[in-house]
Amino acid sequence: DADVTQTPRNRITKTGKRIMLECSQTKGHDRMYWYRQDPGLGLRLIYYSFDVKDINKGEISDGYSVSRQAQAKFSLSLESAIPNQTALYFCATSDQLAANTGELFFGEGSRLTVL
Amino acid sequence: AQSVTQPDIHITVSEGASLELRCNYSYGATPYLFWYVQSPGQGLQLLLKYFSGDTLVQGIKGFEAEFKRSQSSFNLRKPSVHWSDAAEYFCAVLIYNQGGKLIFGQGTELSVKP
Repeated sequence: DADVTQTPRNRITKTGKRIMLECSQTKGHDRMYWYRQDPGLGLRLIYYSFDVKDINKGEISDGYSVSRQAQAKFSLSLESAIPNQTALYFCATSDQLAANTGELFFGEGSRLTVL
Repeated sequence: AQSVTQPDIHITVSEGASLELRCNYSYGATPYLFWYVQSPGQGLQLLLKYFSGDTLVQGIKGFEAEFKRSQSSFNLRKPSVHWSDAAEYFCAVLIYNQGGKLIFGQGTELSVKP
């Protein structure tokens, strides 16, 4: 089983719908991240969390919210999806040591299409 | 502002040929630099990293990268490409003191022809 699991892996939805992407990890890491990947733009950080009580905005947090339900779970929500949120979303984790050396551990991605 | 630029969106090389993927960074202090690889349908995997010391760093799968401060570059190389190297490659810089925040480049897609 993967250490960082994202669900769903693929989702097609309509404009205005609420969508939640979930991430769970078995690595025991305290830090979790949500990135968005768009062709030609690389990965951009949406939100990150250092522990259950600590949530931080990344570069492109508008239109998104997150919840850190437990150390192992970090979900990303789109309250009212719009077409330009169509993208591949990645969850990543690290512990303090790994974070300070830049090593993130990624899930396999969730492809979201908003029609 | 911190940024990473990968000038080549897509590169095609023949199997067995050498490879160089370019990466330029903008960062005010000594950078911590990384290359990640994303195979089709997979998440990203760390290939190698540079923190300090020897400017030529070795990574997994036979890759290496050279840090050149004068050119603000961190190019990735491999002497002989294998078909399994076809993937997307991302260069990144670590914004330390911000808990592992990585700034990624746009990515370079590598195709390998037989």
